[in-house]
Amino acid sequence: GAVVSQHPSRVICKSGTSVKIECRSLDFQATTMFWYRQFPKQSLMLMATSNEGSKATYEQGVEKDKFLINHASLTLSTLTVTSAHPEDSSFYICSGEGQDATDTQYFGPGTRLTVL
Amino acid sequence: GNSVTQMEGPVTLSEEAFLTINCTYTATGYPSLFWYVQYPGEGLQLLLKATKADDKGSNKGFEATYRKETTSFHLEKGSVQVSDSAVYFCALSLNQAGTALIFGKGTTLSVSS
Repeated sequence: GAVVSQHPSRVICKSGTSVKIECRSLDFQATTMFWYRQFPKQSLMLMATSNEGSKATYEQGVEKDKFLINHASLTLSTLTVTSAHPEDSSFYICSGEGQDATDTQYFGPGTRLTVL
Repeated sequence: GNSVTQMEGPVTLSEEAFLTINCTYTATGYPSLFWYVQYPGEGLQLLLKATKADDKGSNKGFEATYRKETTSFHLEKGSVQVSDSAVYFCALSLNQAGTALIFGKGTTLSVSS
């Protein structure tokens, strides 16, 4: 199947700093990418849908000024957590959907963010 | 609305036991159905999928059959191994481009030797 990578896999930062997480589709072009967050022992919560070349669509309750999403190319989407706080500590996972819009989404390995 | 309901865990089994994790769904139209597995500290891996009624998805000894009449997609394995210990997520797709998967809450499986 198709491969999606995320970088970094783990990041620890101080409160008030910004962190950028990259999501890359390695062997396919992802027209749409999705960003999820997952709290311990819970399911994935969709944060936003990112379409190449356009603004992301955020789910209700997700602050778009805090979680900046950029989808500059068909193989790269980035999530920047601005002015991070301890409550932003979570596991962030992205997934990509191919240009032919097949119903299989391919997930990245996730990024563990810890804000001190 | 569209939703997925999974049996609550954790499910604790001995090696070689039979596994069933129930999953039912509510959806408009004709969704595709998936099982994803998440090992500790890792992202989600597609385990199997089915795209239409009566389809059976299978992989690594796991099976699930798309039952439209009961709106179910139960995951089964005849003989579990310790290495199957993970969290299992049932999900559906509305088959609309640009629409995220809808996940169940996940079921933790713990297999002991």
